[in-house]
Amino acid sequence: DARVTQTPRHKVTEMGQEVTMRCQPILGHNTVFWYRQTMMQGLELLAYFRNRAPLDDSGMPKDRFSAEMPDATLATLKIQPSEPRDSAVYFCASGYREDRNQPQHFGDGTRLSIL
Amino acid sequence: DQQVKQNSPSLSVQEGRISILNCDYTNSMFDYFLWYKKYPAEGPTFLISISSIKDKNEDGRFTVFLNKSAKHLSLHIVPSQPGDSAVYFCAASTFNAGGTSYGKLTFGQGTILTVHP
Repeated sequence: DARVTQTPRHKVTEMGQEVTMRCQPILGHNTVFWYRQTMMQGLELLAYFRNRAPLDDSGMPKDRFSAEMPDATLATLKIQPSEPRDSAVYFCASGYREDRNQPQHFGDGTRLSIL
Repeated sequence: DQQVKQNSPSLSVQEGRISILNCDYTNSMFDYFLWYKKYPAEGPTFLISISSIKDKNEDGRFTVFLNKSAKHLSLHIVPSQPGDSAVYFCAASTFNAGGTSYGKLTFGQGTILTVHP
């Protein structure tokens, strides 16, 4: 089965440090989504890309977060500088825009803890 | 403003019985609805979906019902099994709206289902 791969699975770092999370979408998928899961907000969409172009990042704090797709096999989400309130599980998902019957497939997430 | 709501944080059911998970939405533009299941330390996995042109979709033990006038959908699991114990998320999307909203999923807060042997 094809899977979305996220690295690292866990990250613990101190406040102020840069954090980079990576995602390898399923081959052939042309949309990539970044979600954040917290106890308070549930699953919220941060940003998404179609054919590597950013389409919507309105859910993302722009002053410290940035999302990119350097190529079709890699999406990155960076936080600089990180803050304790960024502690959450970050999920990447990929899908195929032209087939609405094909749902988004999620990776297993990066659990981020900012001390 | 929470556009997709799952008002029951948890549900406990006996093995073999029916589990009914509920979801309400407020945005009338939503035209595609999905249910995802999530186990601890894993990402959500797709379970079943329904388009707004239908009122029912069935896949094995799982059936999703959509009541557009009430803006309500429900997931029925019959019979429930201990392996069904997980967090269930309802999600909604606006495929027909096109543009940048196409494919964006709005999730509910999730319902923890526990199926007792």
